[in-house]
Amino acid sequence: DAKTTQPPSMDCAEGRAANLPCNHSTISGNEYVYWYRQIHSQGPQYIIHGLKNNETNEMASLIITEDRKSSTLILPHATLRDTAVYYCIVRSKGGSEKLVFGKGTKLTVNP
Amino acid sequence: GAVVSQHPSWVICKSGTSVKIECRSLDFQATTMFWYRQFPKQSLMLMATSNEGSKATYEQGVEKDKFLINHASLTLSTLTVTSAHPEDSSFYICSESIQGARETQYFGPGTRLLVL
Repeated sequence: DAKTTQPPSMDCAEGRAANLPCNHSTISGNEYVYWYRQIHSQGPQYIIHGLKNNETNEMASLIITEDRKSSTLILPHATLRDTAVYYCIVRSKGGSEKLVFGKGTKLTVNP
Repeated sequence: GAVVSQHPSWVICKSGTSVKIECRSLDFQATTMFWYRQFPKQSLMLMATSNEGSKATYEQGVEKDKFLINHASLTLSTLTVTSAHPEDSSFYICSESIQGARETQYFGPGTRLLVL
């Protein structure tokens, strides 16, 4: 079972920031928070991951609370192409660990 | 990021036939590849973990004799759906695991299978 809880859907206006929350209250000390997204009929796309510090890359920012029980993915300027299902996943460090996908959040960016 | 390809991108077959799906790592040598299945309006479900040169590890409830996985080289893993039936119609997606600092899985574009 997925160890994360996400709202099933969110809407965002084009050009505005999209803030996607994720609860992972049972996360353990060696588990990372990963975010992927899946645009309709495509394979998932890696976005970002972090352990406890906030992270930023060219796609998004990841804000992890101090107790690590929740996190927020921020798309600073959402575009129509960001419409997708966003998955928050916790997993242990190590490339061979499998990913367990929950239901994710369907983000719809509106013009 | 890493690039993973799948072939074919979609396939239609008759019930009872077998279908092979290829997953290639185009710029990394992937020791481990994963196979997922996704039914309409559902999330991805891991089917099996494919290790180069060894037998695949299947998730509970996935029939290893029906979903044959071969990972003969570091850049190629294949999934064969044997004696396909309409209930096997799904979106099949592979991913590769890159060892090293990034420790991230990269996914292929998926293969849509329709069994008539």
